[in-house]
Amino acid sequence: GQNIDQPTEMTATEGAIVQINCTYQTSGFNGLFWYQQHAGEAPTFLSYNVLDGLEEKGRFSSFLSRSKGYSYLLLKELQMKDSASYLCAVLDSNYQLIWGAGTKLIIKP
Amino acid sequence: GAVVSQHPSWVICKSGTSVKIECRSLDFQATTMFWYRQFPKQSLMLMATSNEGSKATYEQGVEKDKFLINHASLTLSTLTVTSAHPEDSSFYICSARGDQGAETYEQYFGPGTRLTVT
Repeated sequence: GQNIDQPTEMTATEGAIVQINCTYQTSGFNGLFWYQQHAGEAPTFLSYNVLDGLEEKGRFSSFLSRSKGYSYLLLKELQMKDSASYLCAVLDSNYQLIWGAGTKLIIKP
Repeated sequence: GAVVSQHPSWVICKSGTSVKIECRSLDFQATTMFWYRQFPKQSLMLMATSNEGSKATYEQGVEKDKFLINHASLTLSTLTVTSAHPEDSSFYICSARGDQGAETYEQYFGPGTRLTVT
């Protein structure tokens, strides 16, 4: 079966750095997405990785290792507004998005 | 960037009535649209995938006769919840995927529709 694992909840301090991990086992791989979702709102796109390595975009970076079936989202200089759920999703061989359950990130002052 | 709208943003209806939710891609042609449902504190659950001009593909456990999906044009898909019941109360989100842009398979999400059935 297809499976995407990410931690249910994480807590971090304002100004710090946090890494949210995602491991996947899917039938084929055509890229991995990270989305941010605030409570009561729709997801918003953060990043897309299809090749191994680190993609940096401002305070957010995303890493992919296809051989390990592993990705992480790195958030630097955390702000209170970063409190949200972070969703990992993999595009499988049929170009369907397989979603993880999401990681709720709580930022404390 | 690509914009997807949903209407209405929220709706309250009585048990037994039907509700129609519209999803529009405003500045691109969406060959494929997706309908998700999300219960409080839970992740997105894909309900169905619709391609313009053809029947929707429903996920296992989703009743196609209850959740009617129409994707009549490249910019509009509708979800009709028929004979709604309180357990259908949820946050319904659509997303659209076009064929243009670097992120070809990125899904652009609408703002969601909160349905409450009384």
